[in-house]
Amino acid sequence: DAKTTQPTSMDCAEGRAANLPCNHSTISGNEYVYWYRQIHSQGPQYIIHGLKNNETNEMASLIITEDRKSSTLILPHATLRDTAVYYCIVRPNSGYSTLTFGKGTMLLVSP
Amino acid sequence: NAGVTQTPKFQVLKTGQSMTLQCAQDMNHEYMSWYRQDPGMGLRLIHYSVGAGITDQGEVPNGYNVSRSTTEDFPLRLLSAAPSQTSVYFCASSYSTGRGNSPLHFGNGTRLTVT
Repeated sequence: DAKTTQPTSMDCAEGRAANLPCNHSTISGNEYVYWYRQIHSQGPQYIIHGLKNNETNEMASLIITEDRKSSTLILPHATLRDTAVYYCIVRPNSGYSTLTFGKGTMLLVSP
Repeated sequence: NAGVTQTPKFQVLKTGQSMTLQCAQDMNHEYMSWYRQDPGMGLRLIHYSVGAGITDQGEVPNGYNVSRSTTEDFPLRLLSAAPSQTSVYFCASSYSTGRGNSPLHFGNGTRLTVT
């Protein structure tokens, strides 16, 4: 799997948009970009994924650059409950693909 | 749907004891896997299965056995527990193994302590 690079930690004020960046410069054309988060003591929670186009769901938006070498996860109105570790992962679209988790970004949402 | 269910939530073992961590999913998912999570290490893949009767090793398989006799269940066995196996264990499943367009869904973990 291609490797990803994320900042170790980020801060965000409650109610503001949280923009979490991820670099995946060696991503292949058939690899998806996935985002998960993990709130303390819970299992990782799926947020969103995409291949080439930007994606939006009820939780977040995913912006992928045209060259696909980086992406940004956007939480439009962060709340205290969004405080978690966020993982950016690339996953092949063929074969028996698994998820390889890095160390992620610790997002702290403050009042 | 209950999703991915792991039991027990907590377990304390003595060195050398054996036990089985249970994982069940009710989503008819083909793919199931086990991860362990240790402080500062992120999640590491132990074993995975792409369907009933098929299993394979992940990144850190030593000390663990798995089997997949049904689509729903994927137990993880520790034959002789060691303190190095103290960790939080997560089971995960997804609908389709061969397609990257298939999110992985996780259980809430089993916290294992080996003394």
